[in-house]
This record gives sequence, C-alpha cells and structure tokens, in this order.
Amino acid sequence: NAGVTQTPKFQVLKTGQSMTLQCAQDMNHEYMSWYRQDPGMGLRLIHYSVGAGITDQGEVPNGYNVSRSTTEDFPLRLLSAAPSQTSVYFCASSPTGDRVREQFFGPGTRLTVL
Amino acid sequence: GDSVTQMEGPVTLSEEAFLTINCTYTATGYPSLFWYVQYPGEGLQLLLKATKADDKGSNKGFEATYRKETTSFHLEKGSVQVSDSAVYFCALRSAGGTSYGKLTFGQGTILTVHP
Repeated sequence: NAGVTQTPKFQVLKTGQSMTLQCAQDMNHEYMSWYRQDPGMGLRLIHYSVGAGITDQGEVPNGYNVSRSTTEDFPLRLLSAAPSQTSVYFCASSPTGDRVREQFFGPGTRLTVL
Repeated sequence: GDSVTQMEGPVTLSEEAFLTINCTYTATGYPSLFWYVQYPGEGLQLLLKATKADDKGSNKGFEATYRKETTSFHLEKGSVQVSDSAVYFCALRSAGGTSYGKLTFGQGTILTVHP
C-alpha cells in the first residue's frame, strides 16, 4: 500500500498560471479532502469529496476547483494562481466521513506563486 | 462553527522533561478529538485519538483525555526525547450537517527538545 500520494512535491508558478496538484490513494477510501497549511493558521479545508462524482466546498474554496471521477484520484486545480495561494497543500483520505475515523495524509506539495 | 485553540508556541524543553500542550475546543454535538504530529519535511501522522467523553488516547508515551466538561484534550508526555521534536496539531472531527467529516485544526505547536 502506497497510502496517499501527492505530486509534485515542489512547484513554482508565476501569477496567472494554472496547474493541477495530483492526489491518489490506494486504500479504497470514500472520503478525500484538500487542505492548505499556512504558518500560525493550522490546516484549512479547501474542498472535499464523499465519493466519486460528489464534491463540495470547504472553508477556503475560492480560486480552486476539484473533480472526482474515480475513487482513487482527487486532483486540485488552480485556475489562475495568485501569490496568496503560496502554501503547503495536503491531500487526505478516510474510509468514510464519519467522525470517529482518522484521516490519512499525503506528504504535501509546497507551492510558491511569484 | 467548530474551533480548536492550542497553546501558543514554540515550546523548548530539555530531554526527559515533562510535556504538556494545551488544547481546548468549541463544537456542536459530539466530535472526535485527535492529535496529529508533523515531523520536519513530512505530512501529518495521527498520534492518538479519542472518540467520546472520558476516553484516553495514548501512543508512543503520549496521552490525552477527552474532557467534555472542560472541552479540553491536553497532550502530555512524561519524558520527552530529541526525536519528539516536531509540530503538534490538535484537531476535531464532527459529522453531519454542513461540517460533514471535516477536520478542524488548531494552529499547531512547535516542540523542540534539546539533548
């Protein structure tokens, strides 16, 4: 089991460029989510999905799009990058959205927008 | 909405010292509570969890008790090691309504342990 994998590990973009952060899990988890980590603010939820074809917004969704065509993959798209999107992005998954289940995190993608 | 407040850091200790990192929360219903740890350059790993009042989670010498009356989930370790140096996050997870399965995190506490 690879668990939750994310690519790329590092990325530098110019303002206005677009890109997709990849996330995949091989644990057959229904629930997947994207967080961003900023200093002094913990992790904040961007978008989440409770199954293939179902996505919803989290706390800070503006500037990001997601889709979930398969159980395994949950890519995060930045439509037009802005310096405010400089952050570390984590993807996470869990068997369900039930409160008792822990979430498993990927290693993160460090994004810098110039 | 849900929120988690952790003690301000950073925390610097000598090896074998006692560790407490305070965590309090605000939530509706009956959330589960978690401590995650992030080692330098890595993602978050679950350290321990508790899913109902008075539960004690424990792992690797760390422990925390779910106190509903004080809405707290303080992390403790009797004797820290240099290898415990990391960032520690307290988090809660509620379910149902608009917060379906969402993890709400505290701001994180940086722990540095010196030999």
